[in-house]
Amino acid sequence: DAGITQSPRHKVTETGTPVTLRCHQTENHRYMYWYRQDPGHGLRLIHYSYGVKDTDKGEVSDGYSVSRSKTEDFLLTLESATSSQTSVYFCAIINTNTGELFFGEGSRLTVL
Amino acid sequence: DAKTTQPNSMESNEEEPVHLPCNHSTISGTDYIHWYRQLPSQGPEYVIHGLTSNVNNRMASLAIAEDRKSSTLILHRATLRDAAVYYCIPHIIQGAQKLVFGQGTRLTINP
Repeated sequence: DAGITQSPRHKVTETGTPVTLRCHQTENHRYMYWYRQDPGHGLRLIHYSYGVKDTDKGEVSDGYSVSRSKTEDFLLTLESATSSQTSVYFCAIINTNTGELFFGEGSRLTVL
Repeated sequence: DAKTTQPNSMESNEEEPVHLPCNHSTISGTDYIHWYRQLPSQGPEYVIHGLTSNVNNRMASLAIAEDRKSSTLILHRATLRDAAVYYCIPHIIQGAQKLVFGQGTRLTINP
């Protein structure tokens, strides 16, 4: 357990509304990641961060933005949610002492 | 980013050994080979990692080819709880990096 919490864990929203998912960590890790996972599919990288205010795009960044104003929080924002963004979103951190990736429990987002 | 190739699915019987292969022919010299697994309805969890030598821990063993272009995760005696999707992903320990997962191998364990 690397002290990662995601919120909200479940959310139902309507098309066109903004949504923000939060990833919070308590152990001061530098590298944080957001992934999405659709039924029967693998993990796809959305954005990642390598420090406060340092972020970069992943494989599927269109329609998503991120912010990291402090070490412990990495926010994923859908400016105008679409039904194709219905998915389970996972946050992850790397423990750079051991090289292990730790994942949060996931946030299930449904866009109607 | 090192690309990986894994079989989409594998099947084995309970209490038998399972060998899960991964090809990572574009791996860089500083990448460690990591394996993660994802149980149903859960986030992925760490299994094992190594650089050049074979590695063992309580969950599994990792056999790394001499040229490091492939590796094999070994579950010595599979249990029903080992049914999961297994991912191999080369990555460095420190440094900014895109961590791109492949499709993984869905392992089914028969009782």
